[in-house]
Parts: sequence; C-alpha cells; structure tokens
Amino acid sequence: NAGVTQTPKFRVLKTGQSMTLLCAQDMNHEYMYWYRQDPGMGLRLIHYSVGEGTTAKGEVPDGYNVSRLKKQNFLLGLESAAPSQTSVYFCASSLRDRAEAFFGQGTRLTVV
Amino acid sequence: AQSVTQLGSHVSVSEGALVLLRCNYSSSVPPYLFWYVQYPNQGLQLLLKYTSAATLVKGINGFEAEFKKSETSFHLTKPSAHMSDAAEYFCAVSTSGTYKYIFGTGTRLKVLA
Repeated sequence: NAGVTQTPKFRVLKTGQSMTLLCAQDMNHEYMYWYRQDPGMGLRLIHYSVGEGTTAKGEVPDGYNVSRLKKQNFLLGLESAAPSQTSVYFCASSLRDRAEAFFGQGTRLTVV
Repeated sequence: AQSVTQLGSHVSVSEGALVLLRCNYSSSVPPYLFWYVQYPNQGLQLLLKYTSAATLVKGINGFEAEFKKSETSFHLTKPSAHMSDAAEYFCAVSTSGTYKYIFGTGTRLKVLA
C-alpha cells in the first residue's frame, strides 16, 4: 500500500517559472491537504479539499492554485514562482473530518 | 478560531530521562488534538490523538498525552527517552466542521547519550 505519494521529491525553479506538484493517495480518502513547512513556522495550510471537485483556501493560499479533478489526486500549482516559495511541501489525506491525517514524504522546492 | 502553541522549539534530554513536550491549544469548541512525529527527511506520522473518549491517551513507542481542559493543555510525555526518539514533534488541533488541522511550530527533541 503506497499511501500518499508526492511527485517530484526535489525541484529547483527559477523565479517566474511555473510548476505543478502532484499528490496521489490510494486510500480512498475524501479530504486532502497541501501544507508548507518552513523552519520555526511549523506546517501552514495552503489549500485543502473535502471531496472530488472541491477546493478551499487555507492560511497561506496566495501564489498557489489547486485542483482536485479526481478523488485520488490533488495538484498544487505555482504560476510564477518566487523565492519566498522556497519550502518543503507536504501533501496529506484523511478519511473524514478529524480523522488521522496521512502524509507524503514531501517535496523540497528551491526557487532561485 | 483554533490555534496551537508549543513551548520550547528545542528540548534536550538524557537517554533514559523523562520526556515532556508542551502543547497548549485554543478552541471555542471541543477540539480533537493530535501529536505527530517527523524524522529527518520524512513526512509526519501520527503518535496519538485525543477524541474526547478518555483524557489520558496512549500512543505508539511508549508516548502518552493527557488532555487537561482547565489548562487547555495536551502535553506529550514518555517515561524514558531512547536515542531513536530524536525527531521533531508537532501538536495539532482540529474541530468539527473545519475540515483541517492547525499545527504548532514544532519541538525538536535531542536525546543525549
């Protein structure tokens, strides 16, 4: 059982470039989340989804877009990358409200 | 609004000593509370969670936490630290209908030989 899989694991972008991070889960979970982790700031919620075709903004949504066209996938897009978006990005999923969240291994993104 | 405060960004203990990691929460409605552990270059794994069934919650690897409503606390403890406990620990809160988890800033635990 793969759980939550994030692609890619590492990426270096130039300022202004765009990219999409892919999150896939095979647990048939309804809820999916994108967090960013920065030193001393813990995990901050970027966007989340409570089901296929739905998305909602979290604490730090600016500069990011998301889509959940299929239940098992949650995509995070950066349209025009900025150095401030250098971070480790984690995807997570949960079966229902307030259930255990399962995390991917993270994507380390550097914007130069 | 929900929030979580973790006191102490770094904690050092000797191997075999008591581990105490502090977490205080703020919530206007009954919360669900979680402790997660993150080992280097890995994602987060659930240690334990409080769901209002019992105030003392036992988790994996010998960890436990006690929910104290009067103190709005959910501190994580382990009687005897092991070298393998060195990691970063995150407290998180979630409430009904919010569909999300709010994390604290984390506490990095160092275990000294």
